[in-house]
Amino acid sequence: EAAVTQSPRNKVTVTGGNVTLSCRQTNSHNYMYWYRQDTGHGLRLIHYSYGAGNLQIGDVPDGYKATRTTQEDFFLLLELASPSQTSLYFCASSEETLYFGSGTRLTVL
Amino acid sequence: TQTVSQSDAHVTVFEGDSVELRCNYSYGGSIYLSWYIQHHGHGLQFLLKYYSGNPVVQGVNGFEAEFSKSDSSFHLRKASVHWSDSAVYFCAVRTSNTNKVVFGTGTRLQVLP
Repeated sequence: EAAVTQSPRNKVTVTGGNVTLSCRQTNSHNYMYWYRQDTGHGLRLIHYSYGAGNLQIGDVPDGYKATRTTQEDFFLLLELASPSQTSLYFCASSEETLYFGSGTRLTVL
Repeated sequence: TQTVSQSDAHVTVFEGDSVELRCNYSYGGSIYLSWYIQHHGHGLQFLLKYYSGNPVVQGVNGFEAEFSKSDSSFHLRKASVHWSDSAVYFCAVRTSNTNKVVFGTGTRLQVLP
């Protein structure tokens, strides 16, 4: 079973704060993805990557940076967090099927 | 870019009923189609996928889906639902050239006893 671990599980920050969400996968999948989930919008793709050092832009990238430091690790960075970024964030790894982490609930006050 | 449409936000059925959850997509190139399930408070889990061949694919727990190129659809079906099937179901489209994966907005299935 593929394993994808996200941290932290919950995070509260203030407007303008700096936040890093972490994702680690242990299956040597090439592809990793960051999504946000909001009621009425389903899952929206923020960024994705096909290997260390690679970054592809998703559908809702504004306000987010991402970095794939190794095959295993993919980080999502919010450098000036805003209330509109309050959401449930999911990371996934994949070769064909996506394997999801348990999510990070981010609240921006 | 690809788009995915799930026209029904909520579907309510009784245990033992059959159900069909609808998914339509738009994309001009080669794609993989998938369905995922999300139980409350959890991440998404894979149900089934289609890329080529037999347009009817079988998944876990008695789910199946049928691909139709003419209708640009990939509807999910189950012949007899159980209360444990209550969850949110997401359709996804993956392009074979970029591996970008886009999801629909989801359909919440409620199964009543």
